[in-house]
Amino acid sequence: AQKVTQAQTEISVVEKEDVTLDCVYETRDTTYYLFWYKQPPSGELVFLIRRNSFDEQNEISGRYSWNFQKSTSSFNFTITASQVVDSAVYFCALSEGSGNTPLVFGKGTRLSVIA
Amino acid sequence: DVKVTQSSRYLVKRTGEKVFLECVQDMDHENMFWYRQDPGLGLRLIYFSYDVKMKEKGDIPEGYSVSREKKERFSLILESASTNQTSMYLCASSFGGIGTNEKLFFGSGTQLSVL
Repeated sequence: AQKVTQAQTEISVVEKEDVTLDCVYETRDTTYYLFWYKQPPSGELVFLIRRNSFDEQNEISGRYSWNFQKSTSSFNFTITASQVVDSAVYFCALSEGSGNTPLVFGKGTRLSVIA
Repeated sequence: DVKVTQSSRYLVKRTGEKVFLECVQDMDHENMFWYRQDPGLGLRLIYFSYDVKMKEKGDIPEGYSVSREKKERFSLILESASTNQTSMYLCASSFGGIGTNEKLFFGSGTQLSVL
């Protein structure tokens, strides 16, 4: 069975600090997809990234970067030089590549960036 | 841009009432999903549908049913609302057939309170 664990329930940082959100996943499939979503105070989840299990290259998009390590079953998300607008709940999710398997979400990490 | 529209942002109902939560997407997506979001529990899948007239149970289907008569519309039904169904309900859709693992597009959510 697939499972996603986000051990950090809440994180608080001061603006301009770097912060890493952890995500550990479990799956028996060799083909799977990992996602990160952002949920700002408005409530609508916003897609950030999708990564398949065969692509372990790290990704950088502006101040955001993702570190995918199959050896530790982790897909961590780092925000560099955090800003107040980064305050949100962040969800990591997993979808197995075989059969009818929708996304399974972690419980989310609430990030507060203080000015 | 893909738009997923949920009919109500806030809803207050009485115990025992039949409740309909409506969701419409405008991008001809095959897949549609209903999740509920509760503090500390993250997002949990209630039902999903990969095609018109199709439905599949998610992790927590008890007390809910769904209807998908048209491709663009996916309705969540609470046959007899109970206080433990007070929650944020999120509708999502995605492109592609079974197992394509495409990203989800979310609506803004419906905060349902059952008194």
